[in-house]
Amino acid sequence: DAGVTQSPTHLIKTRGQQVTLRCSPKSGHDTVSWYQQALGQGPQFIFQYYEEEERQRGNFPDRFSGHQFPNYSSELNVNALLLGDSALYLCASSLITGGTDTQYFGPGTRLTVL
Amino acid sequence: QKEVEQNSGPLSVPEGAIASLNCTYSDRGSQSFFWYRQYSGKSPELIMSIYSNGDKEDGRFTAQLNKASQYVSLLIRDSQPSDSATYLCAVNAGGGADGLTFGKGTHLIIQP
Repeated sequence: DAGVTQSPTHLIKTRGQQVTLRCSPKSGHDTVSWYQQALGQGPQFIFQYYEEEERQRGNFPDRFSGHQFPNYSSELNVNALLLGDSALYLCASSLITGGTDTQYFGPGTRLTVL
Repeated sequence: QKEVEQNSGPLSVPEGAIASLNCTYSDRGSQSFFWYRQYSGKSPELIMSIYSNGDKEDGRFTAQLNKASQYVSLLIRDSQPSDSATYLCAVNAGGGADGLTFGKGTHLIIQP
């Protein structure tokens, strides 16, 4: 049973550039959530995708956008990168049934902005 | 603003003892509660989920929930050096409608 996968593992960009991160959910899951984790902090919710629509969004600017594909995989796009965007980006997948939402995380993408 | 508070530690516990990790949350409407373990440089790994008041046990781990006090705890019995990690408390309003709100995590050190 394949778990959540993310690519790439590491990424180095410069300020002002754009980046795309990718996530494939755990087999059987239909929902993908994205989180940003700065060093020494807990993950911060960016947004969640279900049925190819953004269901909810955290307190992140419009520079952060996403997409979900028919096979449930997802992309996170960040435009006009800032130094402060350097963080571990986590994808979590879940199956929305029964009112619970247990989320399983992928290994993450470490983004460094220079 | 939904908030989840944890003592950042470090919490140092002798090997074989019970480690007790605590978490409080601000949103009284929260429905789902989770504990994740995160080793340095790795992603969070789910340990326990709890949805009802009381205790839930899974091996050496026990999660406790008190919705009236807005308090969640995690007990680790017979602590092992491999339990040394950061433990993240996460809260969800439930129904899959919200993303998880995380605390900053408690750094746990098990001393051999």
